[in-house]
Amino acid sequence: DSGVTQTPKHLITATGQRVTLRCSPRSGDLSVYWYQQSLDQGLQFLIQYYNGEERAKGNILERFSAQQFPDLHSELNLSSLELGDSALYFCASSARGTGSVTEAFFGQGTRLTVV
Amino acid sequence: GDSVTQMEGPVTLSEEAFLTINCTYTATGYPSLFWYVQYPGEGLQLLLKATKADDKGSNKGFEATYRKETTSFHLEKGSVQVSDSAVYFCALTYGSSNTGKLIFGQGTTLQVKP
Repeated sequence: DSGVTQTPKHLITATGQRVTLRCSPRSGDLSVYWYQQSLDQGLQFLIQYYNGEERAKGNILERFSAQQFPDLHSELNLSSLELGDSALYFCASSARGTGSVTEAFFGQGTRLTVV
Repeated sequence: GDSVTQMEGPVTLSEEAFLTINCTYTATGYPSLFWYVQYPGEGLQLLLKATKADDKGSNKGFEATYRKETTSFHLEKGSVQVSDSAVYFCALTYGSSNTGKLIFGQGTTLQVKP
């Protein structure tokens, strides 16, 4: 158990809909990262938050957004969903946002299926 | 841009065979290098890491050496077990000025048969 909790584990929704994925980081970790894992793109970094502030952005679509709340949990919002958004979405947390490298701990992921 | 390239899978081995999974990287600076493992139905777990050239990371019988001259970080294990069957990801990130985001290779599936 990594200590990172993601909900829900599975999500099936229709094209055009909007969903919210939730992540609770390990206790004390200030950084939250979101990654998308798909068969054609592999594991891609989407976005990072550190202590409530956006820290880094990767290949995240404009239809996607995220935020980190004062209690440090994070949500990834995906809207106007397309079939190609079907993927496994991982959240990871680490103790720091910059500085010396620290280990990132991954949740078990949310499998999103868009039909 | 920065990237990681892993050998194509799947890799199928018999139990107790020697394992090598190749990983090379392209980076403008001096990254830290990682191997993560993903067991079926689970998230990624850090297997080992190396933060500077010539460092050797090791864990659970797996080893990888950070080779700056060949920009490589190949994963090795002397004797694999069925329980090692998983997907292995090589990844990099930067140190002092980086946010900690990881750049992953495409993953290599390892299947170990009894």
